[in-house]
Amino acid sequence: EPEVTQTPSHQVTQMGQEVILRCVPISNHLYFYWYRQILGQKVEFLVSFYNNEISEKSEIFDDQFSVERPDGSNFTLKIRSTKLEDSAMYFCASSEQGLGVNTEAFFGQGTRLTVV
Amino acid sequence: AQTVTQSQPEMSVQEAETVTLSCTYDTSENNYYLFWYKQPPSRQMILVIRQEAYKQQNATENRFSVNFQKAAKSFSLKISDSQLGDTAMYFCAFLPMSTSYGKLTFGQGTILTVHP
Repeated sequence: EPEVTQTPSHQVTQMGQEVILRCVPISNHLYFYWYRQILGQKVEFLVSFYNNEISEKSEIFDDQFSVERPDGSNFTLKIRSTKLEDSAMYFCASSEQGLGVNTEAFFGQGTRLTVV
Repeated sequence: AQTVTQSQPEMSVQEAETVTLSCTYDTSENNYYLFWYKQPPSRQMILVIRQEAYKQQNATENRFSVNFQKAAKSFSLKISDSQLGDTAMYFCAFLPMSTSYGKLTFGQGTILTVHP
């Protein structure tokens, strides 16, 4: 069964360093998303991406964050200068169409980012 | 803005018994979708069941059913004949129909443990 794949599963980085989280969405999907979950808190929407541009972003998704689909298969989240509060589990998701009655978001297993 | 609240941080149930997980939400939208996601210890979130707000009939998927009370803004999940594999974190989520860009709003989650 097709699935969303995220790498790495765990990344440790020093504060101020750039980090890139990678995701391979399901191949025929057109909509891509990043969510994050700080330990003990809610899963929060970061950004959605369609047709090679950001469709919507949350207030969390500031200038330190960027997303890219560098080729036909990968979808990346870059954090330019990591802060301690960026430590969280980051989930990538994809869907065939925009979310709604007949479309479901498929989530990856997540990348745990630890900023030290 | 929408909020989703799950007031039960943890629940436990004996195998084969029935358990109900609570979810309430607040929104000014009239048309929306509600979802329950399951996140097993392997961390990949899986869609369990969805409900369209314009449908009065409660959604059912095998052992999983919902009690959707639109006026009360309540959306509980009932798991019948609980199985050990149902042990997971369960998230309630909201998606307004006014956006198809995947901005799901999640609750805090309920950890469900099924005991043999």
